[in-house]
Amino acid sequence: DAKTTQPNSMESNEEEPVHLPCNHSTISGTDYIHWYRQLPSQGPEYVIHGLTSNVNNRMASLAIAEDRKSSTLILHRATLRDAAVYYCILRGINQGGKLIFGQGTELSVKP
Amino acid sequence: EAEVAQSPRYKITEKSQAVAFWCDPISGHATLYWYRQILGQGPELLVQFQDESVVDDSQLPKDRFSAERLKGVDSTLKIQPAELGDSAMYLCASSFGTEYNEQFFGPGTRLTVL
Repeated sequence: DAKTTQPNSMESNEEEPVHLPCNHSTISGTDYIHWYRQLPSQGPEYVIHGLTSNVNNRMASLAIAEDRKSSTLILHRATLRDAAVYYCILRGINQGGKLIFGQGTELSVKP
Repeated sequence: EAEVAQSPRYKITEKSQAVAFWCDPISGHATLYWYRQILGQGPELLVQFQDESVVDDSQLPKDRFSAERLKGVDSTLKIQPAELGDSAMYLCASSFGTEYNEQFFGPGTRLTVL
């Protein structure tokens, strides 16, 4: 299974943009890049996913490097509610749908 | 908005006792997952169902854990006997399909084994 590498923790100020990096140098051509986040005392929730092109939704943007060996989740204006553990996950066609979580990045947001 | 339901939310038991967790997925979701999350780590898949069939239970400790989804809707995960190392959060998730569909997670059951 292709692995991802994320910083253990990051800090942000409220209402400022946050860029959460993820390295996945062994990604295969059919692996999708998924991001989930887990707020304290809750189950994970889907944030965004992409294959090659950058993606935007109401929660965040996903910027994917041209060689696909890294990606960045962008929160445009962090709020206190965005404090969570963010997981970058590769999903391949041979995984049958399961998510393989790493350690994730714990994001703290300061008022 | 439809949600995945789990019960109980918290369970405290003594080692060697039996425990059971229940999950009701979002209506229409054919795929159901049980994950275990040890404190400080990411969730790990225990078992995956497609309708009533198990499609992946490679990480399920089958000597003590069992899971069923008899009618292809709700599901039960059982541990018998519970061990101290089973203390963790047990998360249920569901999705419409498998490959790249978004998974929706329930709030989890926090198990403490004394």
